Amino acid sequence: SAVISQKPSRDICQRGTSLTIQCQVDSQVTMMFWYRQQPGQSLTLIATANQGSEATYESGFVIDKFPISRPNLTFSTLTVSNMSPEDSSIYLCSVDVDEKLFFGSGTQLSVL
Amino acid sequence: RKEVEQDPGPFNVPEGATVAFNCTYSNSASQSFFWYRQDCRKEPKLLMSVYSSGNEDGRFTAQLNRASQYISLLIRDSKLSDSATYLCVVYSGNTGKLIFGQGTTLQVKP
Repeated sequence: SAVISQKPSRDICQRGTSLTIQCQVDSQVTMMFWYRQQPGQSLTLIATANQGSEATYESGFVIDKFPISRPNLTFSTLTVSNMSPEDSSIYLCSVDVDEKLFFGSGTQLSVL
Repeated sequence: RKEVEQDPGPFNVPEGATVAFNCTYSNSASQSFFWYRQDCRKEPKLLMSVYSSGNEDGRFTAQLNRASQYISLLIRDSKLSDSATYLCVVYSGNTGKLIFGQGTTLQVKP
């Protein structure tokens, strides 16, 4: 298994601002994943964060809106840029251990 | 059509009841299957993997039907603490992606 520390746990932000979410893992992992879960919806993969290279983004998500950093094998950040109310959601980081996903506790973002 | 479909519920059952959830998937090349549990305002947590031969973990039984492309989760002797949303998750080797269902909400009442 893996223990993932994610912060902040929640935030309320103004339109047009940016928020950076951090995830720290208790062991080295090759890939970290960033998901979004909108109210009443399933989890949607935003991007895969690879150490030493640019993140791989899924359809509908772009680097300018969701820049990701992965400076080492235990840490990653996701920034939600130029926020609008449509970005209000829960954001989750996760890691794959033996084909099983373990998640951070999530960041509940509300954009006013 | 969604790649992974679940009845969102909610399923309202009394304590002690047996309840079953189904999940269908569209990609016949899917290789691995999981059930996750998500409590309100919490992150998803792995409940159990689903194996071809079916598998059981205490009161929970998971089964896979590849021919019909569905998986199921059976909960026996429901407890109040079983109230949560149950997410069906499918891994497709040809896409390398985990696809989450919308989740099925279970409410166990005294």
